[in-house]
Amino acid sequence: QVQLVESGGGVVQPGRSLRLSCAASGFTFPTYGMHWVRQAPGQGLDWVAVIWYDGSRKYYADSVRGRFTISRDNSKNTLDLQMDSLRVEDTAIYYCVRDAEGGRGRDHWGQGTLVTISS
Amino acid sequence: SSELTQDPAVSVALGQTVKITCRGDSLKFYSASWYQQKPGQAPIFVIYGQDHRPSGIPGRFSGSYSGDTASLTITGAQAEDEADYYCQSRDSSGNLYVFGTGTQVTVL
Repeated sequence: QVQLVESGGGVVQPGRSLRLSCAASGFTFPTYGMHWVRQAPGQGLDWVAVIWYDGSRKYYADSVRGRFTISRDNSKNTLDLQMDSLRVEDTAIYYCVRDAEGGRGRDHWGQGTLVTISS
Repeated sequence: SSELTQDPAVSVALGQTVKITCRGDSLKFYSASWYQQKPGQAPIFVIYGQDHRPSGIPGRFSGSYSGDTASLTITGAQAEDEADYYCQSRDSSGNLYVFGTGTQVTVL
């Protein structure tokens, strides 16, 4: 079955960096687009970034563009999110999410990893 | 970027029907998908468009559209349907994604 397992969360100070990873299994990873979605404590879902199946295109939410970088390694079935210049408002659970075939929805979600930005 | 607006909360009697709406300009051009999230859990994918449901999602969940509004209807709501529901679509560029503000559904 499809599994998405995030790792790399933790507590960091504002202005520092953190790298999240997502290990994918149970499906042909190189053929699916992938997203990062976050959710601040007690708040709604917030789309962060998407990367095409082959890594050829990447798009970011306005709030993270220029600070976050999404990448993937199709040989290792992993998805990453490099987060630089972190801000208190980046505090959230970060979910790794698979695009459904044809982009018809985001059909599988990981359990998330918590990132806390605090001095 | 586009915004998607949802009613903050709705309630429905057990076995009755409830419609959750999602309004935004981008919905005139792009389909919406819907997600259910229960406390302490990751969201799950419920439906894309009007009737593209993943396996395991009951047929009582259906989607519809009218102009700039997408709707998720639960026909014959069950106690286990009590959750937060979010719509998602693309922004006006078509390259970025946006979530709705979320609707808390209470089953009475």
